[in-house]
Amino acid sequence: DAGVIQSPRHEVTEMGQEVTLRCKPISGHNSLFWYRQTMMRGLELLIYFNNNVPIDDSGMPEDRFSAKMPNASFSTLKIQPSEPRDSAVYFCASSIKPGGAETQYFGPGTRLLVL
Amino acid sequence: GDSVTQMEGPVTLSEEAFLTINCTYTATGYPSLFWYVQYPGEGLQLLLKATKADDKGSNKGFEATYRKETTSFHLEKGSVQVSDSAVYFCALNNAGNMLTFGGGTRLMVKP
Repeated sequence: DAGVIQSPRHEVTEMGQEVTLRCKPISGHNSLFWYRQTMMRGLELLIYFNNNVPIDDSGMPEDRFSAKMPNASFSTLKIQPSEPRDSAVYFCASSIKPGGAETQYFGPGTRLLVL
Repeated sequence: GDSVTQMEGPVTLSEEAFLTINCTYTATGYPSLFWYVQYPGEGLQLLLKATKADDKGSNKGFEATYRKETTSFHLEKGSVQVSDSAVYFCALNNAGNMLTFGGGTRLMVKP
């Protein structure tokens, strides 16, 4: 079975440009999460969806960040305009359902560098 | 709110040494506890989990026991290998859908 798929794996862009990160969760999983990982701040949850509906976006750093999940098999995280401080590894994860003991399955991440 | 505290790394060990990575948590109720591992250049993957007090999770020679009295979930392995070099994250989920992660502990195993 394919795991969580993320694209692109690497992205280098210039400050002010729009960046779109993509995620395909595991088929049949109903919950999807976006995380950001940096050396300074560690692993941060940005937003999560249940059944394609955003449930908690309190981790989204500011209005420059937006996330969508138009259907059960696709989600995007967009940064517009991008800034150098957005440089990080962005992970998407999915789980089969809401619940305390459910495992989250992580994608390989997108390494973003904003110059 | 909920929180997870891990020992800071890096932890550097020789091959076949005994490993302990400490993890303590603060949470109301009865959270589920997890250890995730991140190998270089990869995403996190579940290593083991425990869902109630006194449960022991185990996988690949790693073990951790859910100790409610000490609010701890320490990770142990009797004999580490070079291939165990990675970053280890302790996490909890408290009756919701969100994982709360610790800061991660980098383990370096030397041959």
